[in-house]
Amino acid sequence: AQSVTQLGSHVSVSEGALVLLRCNYSSSVPPYLFWYVQYPNQGLQLLLKYTSAATLVKGINGFEAEFKKSETSFHLTKPSAHMSDAAEYFCAVSGGGSQGNLIFGKGTKLSVKP
Amino acid sequence: GAGVSQSPRYKVAKRGQDVALRCDPISGHVSLFWYQQALGQGPEFLTYFQNEAQLDKSGLPSDRFFAERPEGSVSTLKIQRTQQEDSAVYLCASVAGTTSTDTQYFGPGTRLTVL
Repeated sequence: AQSVTQLGSHVSVSEGALVLLRCNYSSSVPPYLFWYVQYPNQGLQLLLKYTSAATLVKGINGFEAEFKKSETSFHLTKPSAHMSDAAEYFCAVSGGGSQGNLIFGKGTKLSVKP
Repeated sequence: GAGVSQSPRYKVAKRGQDVALRCDPISGHVSLFWYQQALGQGPEFLTYFQNEAQLDKSGLPSDRFFAERPEGSVSTLKIQRTQQEDSAVYLCASVAGTTSTDTQYFGPGTRLTVL
């Protein structure tokens, strides 16, 4: 069975600082991995996804993530935080099978200080 | 084009009432998922439709939960005899295709509060 662990329920960074949000997965099959962002009172928006092509995946809004099989990790990074990045971020793994239901981590709330 | 819409956005129900939550997916999208997001948690899978066929309902927490998509577009999630533990945000996701790598497009959710 697949699962996802997000380390740190709350991360705070200063504007302009590096953003690093951690995600580790467990999967018995080659995983498909996703990062979603959720702004208050809005649905989830896809930032990026890994589908077994390039291990370094670039997404929207300057975010990227690197798939590391040896570490079972898929950490999300952004070189320089903006105030508008403040939101909740969810890592997810595809649940396997042909349908692709997502298994989400508990989320990391990112705060950006001016 | 229009994204996924859900209605109502907020619903307050008294314990024991029945509720119906609606999802309007992106036009032409084949697949549709329902998720439940409890406060402070990530979304959890409830059920999956491919066109009008409900192919997986393994995530529905009890037989009080029922979902349908009769014409392969709009979907309704119904909860009978609501309980306080049903309080959550219910998210709908629309997918163009049927594979595990396809992007899921989420609606804004319906926040259900059961008193």
